[in-house]
Amino acid sequence: GAVVSQHPSRVICKSGTSVKIECRSLDFQATTMFWYRQFPKQSLMLMATSNEGSKATYEQGVEKDKFLINHASLTLSTLTVTSAHPEDSSFYICSARLRTDYEQYFGPGTRLTVT
Amino acid sequence: AQKVTQAQTEISVVEKEDVTLDCVYETRDTTYYLFWYKQPPSGELVFLIRRNSFDEQNEISGRYSWNFQKSTSSFNFTITASQVVDSAVYFCALSRGGSQGNLIFGKGTKLSVKP
Repeated sequence: GAVVSQHPSRVICKSGTSVKIECRSLDFQATTMFWYRQFPKQSLMLMATSNEGSKATYEQGVEKDKFLINHASLTLSTLTVTSAHPEDSSFYICSARLRTDYEQYFGPGTRLTVT
Repeated sequence: AQKVTQAQTEISVVEKEDVTLDCVYETRDTTYYLFWYKQPPSGELVFLIRRNSFDEQNEISGRYSWNFQKSTSSFNFTITASQVVDSAVYFCALSRGGSQGNLIFGKGTKLSVKP
């Protein structure tokens, strides 16, 4: 149990376009989802915390107008990278937390390349 | 402030050697959780262990063992009789108890096990 999926797993887009990444908890309800970003050979850094039905909380230095997060249901959160630029190329990983447990489950990640 | 330090950036060992990955953390919370994750080249995070701040018992799982010492704020990870398949980046992470829950990751230790 406790499976989190991400779609797409890999995406290449042109500079200036927008890309949407989906994070789904497949077999549990997640009141909270977290979005992390990992640049090559670096650690994972939290971008934002997404609670179902409310606005996401962004970490300092993360542009909320550029990284739009929507958590419309207990099983789905989306991250939209708007007007993507090459410096946004990164590995984006979501995690979902069970409603009644503090355990977090990570998705497999989405590798974004902006050309 | 919370912080996780993995001082070893890269470690290289020969198969069957034992290897210990160090993790030192900082937190003012009395309730917190510590984690270890493995990240193979595919990028997906593989959960290894979660330990809460009230449980200082060491744990052994097959060739893996963990040594949690609150007195030195350390949560070290040992692989016994390493194998080539153990080659990966290993992350130590810290999360707060209560409702916050996001993980703070160390910078990771890249382990290379050579045949």
